[in-house]
Amino acid sequence: QVQLQESGPGLVKPSETLSLTCTVSGGSISSYYWSWIRQPPGKGLEWIGYIYYSGSTNYNPSLKSRVTISVDTSKNQFSLKLSSVTAADTAVYYCASVDGRAYYMDVWGKGTTVTVSS
Amino acid sequence: DIQMTQSPSSLSASVGDRVTITCRASQGISNYLAWFQQKPGKAPKSLIYAASSLQSGVPSKFSGSGSGTDFTLTISSLQPEDFATYYCQQYNSYPWTFGQGTKVEIK
Repeated sequence: QVQLQESGPGLVKPSETLSLTCTVSGGSISSYYWSWIRQPPGKGLEWIGYIYYSGSTNYNPSLKSRVTISVDTSKNQFSLKLSSVTAADTAVYYCASVDGRAYYMDVWGKGTTVTVSS
Repeated sequence: DIQMTQSPSSLSASVGDRVTITCRASQGISNYLAWFQQKPGKAPKSLIYAASSLQSGVPSKFSGSGSGTDFTLTISSLQPEDFATYYCQQYNSYPWTFGQGTKVEIK
């Protein structure tokens, strides 16, 4: 089964860009969709967006102006960039695979905590 | 955006109890609904998709039902490992949205 692992800085300064990478193992990224989700401390889950391996994307309108999701098929990775971050972007960030037939988020990474602070 | 409302927000139950959690969508979502289980400090785990289909490897004590706007997740006999927070999520339309979660605690 596919496994996912998030990586990236755990601390980002306000107004800077948060950058995370999700590495896919046990399967090829050149299939289906790949998603990012976040969870602020003590709060619920928020879908950020997804990318198809071909590069087409769909973003949550609440974040669309600041989000870029990209894919690197040669490295079996996809990435998240969130610009102009504030303390409100402090959260655990998860990557997930989207099942190609049933179209739901079936496998999740363990998550990585990102704190926005100076 | 489609709003997903879960009830109750929390519940206390005993080992062996049958537990039902409800999720209501603000508009019809057909059967494009998933349920996730999340334990403290862990990532969400997929339980149910398409409202009633069991994710591979998930025990059959979990079941889902519903279509349109009203959905339920049932745990037939609660075990110690089932104490967690449960989330519903719609994937009928963008942006995909989650319920606020239901925390299942030990009575």
